[in-house]
Amino acid sequence: QIQLLQSGAEVRKPGASVRVSCKASGYSFGNRAITWVRQAPGRGLEWVGWVSGYTGNTNYAQNLQARLTLTTDTSTTTAYMDLRSLTSDDTAIYYCARGGSSGAEDLDYWGQGTLVIVSS
Amino acid sequence: SYVLTQPPSVSVAAGQSASITCGGNNIGSKNVHWYQQKPGQAPVLVISYDSGRPSGIPERFTGSNSGNTATLTISRVEAGDEADYYCQVWDGSGVHHVVFGGGTKLTVL
Repeated sequence: QIQLLQSGAEVRKPGASVRVSCKASGYSFGNRAITWVRQAPGRGLEWVGWVSGYTGNTNYAQNLQARLTLTTDTSTTTAYMDLRSLTSDDTAIYYCARGGSSGAEDLDYWGQGTLVIVSS
Repeated sequence: SYVLTQPPSVSVAAGQSASITCGGNNIGSKNVHWYQQKPGQAPVLVISYDSGRPSGIPERFTGSNSGNTATLTISRVEAGDEADYYCQVWDGSGVHHVVFGGGTKLTVL
């Protein structure tokens, strides 16, 4: 069955960086994009960006693009989200989700989420 | 940038129908997807491409999209439908990106 398994919770100090991983299984990784979505405590869903599973092409939310890097490793069918220069506003649950081939389609499978806490 | 507007909350008695709207400029020209999120869980796709139902989603969930409003309708609402619901579109104009609505909390009375 299709699964997206994310790495565990992280705690960082302001100014630090964090990497979250998303291990995909049960489908052809290269045929789909991985989209990242975050949710601050008590808030709604916010699109972070997406990365193509095959080409590695990316599309980032404007408010994050200066600090964000999304990558994939096709050999391990794993997607990664790197976020730098963290502030308390980055405290959120980060989800990866399977999209279509371009990142514009629906998100039909989601990871369990990774809590990132930024605190001094 | 493109904005999607949802009511913060909708309340409905069990067994009745609930409609959750998602407003956006000419949203009828876009593909709208809907997600259900229960407390402490990841979102689940319940309606794709305006009115498609993914495998495993009950027929009680239906969607429509026209003009400036997309609507998610849940018929014969059950206690287990209580959740937050989000609409989502792809904004292909200008900066290409995904947009989520602010979410609607469905309360079953």
